[in-house]
Amino acid sequence: EVQLVDSGGGLVQPGRALRLSCAASGFTFDDYAMHWVRQAPGKGLEWVAGISWNGGMIDYADSVKGRFTISRDNTKKFLYLQMNNLASEDTALYYCAKDIHSSGWYADSWGQGTLVTVSS
Amino acid sequence: QLVLTQSPSASASLGASVKLTCTLSSGHSTYTIAWHQHQPDKGPRFLMKVTSDGSHTKGDGIPDRFSGSSSGAERYLTISSLQSEDEADYYCQTWGTDIHWLFGGGTKLTVL
Repeated sequence: EVQLVDSGGGLVQPGRALRLSCAASGFTFDDYAMHWVRQAPGKGLEWVAGISWNGGMIDYADSVKGRFTISRDNTKKFLYLQMNNLASEDTALYYCAKDIHSSGWYADSWGQGTLVTVSS
Repeated sequence: QLVLTQSPSASASLGASVKLTCTLSSGHSTYTIAWHQHQPDKGPRFLMKVTSDGSHTKGDGIPDRFSGSSSGAERYLTISSLQSEDEADYYCQTWGTDIHWLFGGGTKLTVL
């Protein structure tokens, strides 16, 4: 059974940094692309970043480009999201998601989410 | 520009059927989309992918009450024999260039 466990969220001040982690199990991690998706309070799902199976292809939403960095450790089966220079607009539930393909098609499994609150 | 459009809300009675629509922007009518269900306080759940020819492939454990279809640039999710636990937000999703995902705005389904 595929399991994705998100962690690392919390309360952080504007301008500070936070790193999210996603522990994967139940599938061959390095066969699939992985993504981060967020949901701000009262809003819909917003794709944040994606990384191909080997990290050779990476892309970001315009709203986070230059501030967030997605990475993966295929040996440890972990996905990461380094979030720098956080702003109040980044307050959201963050979900990691497994792609059905190695380079980016659609999600077929989701984590339970980790809450990031940016506030002074 | 690739855009997915969904109605913000829908409602139907317990035991009835409802058809949710996701519309692809002009020039993108051949795209495959995925439907996801998002219940309160849970992670989203993959329901199915729907192709331009109307075929659909469901995720593991998705009940037969859920089905997908297509017509032109529209992709549909039909839920029959509505149950209270079907009350949720439903999102369509597709992918663009490189590894970029795109979501529709979501439809909030109320079961009356």
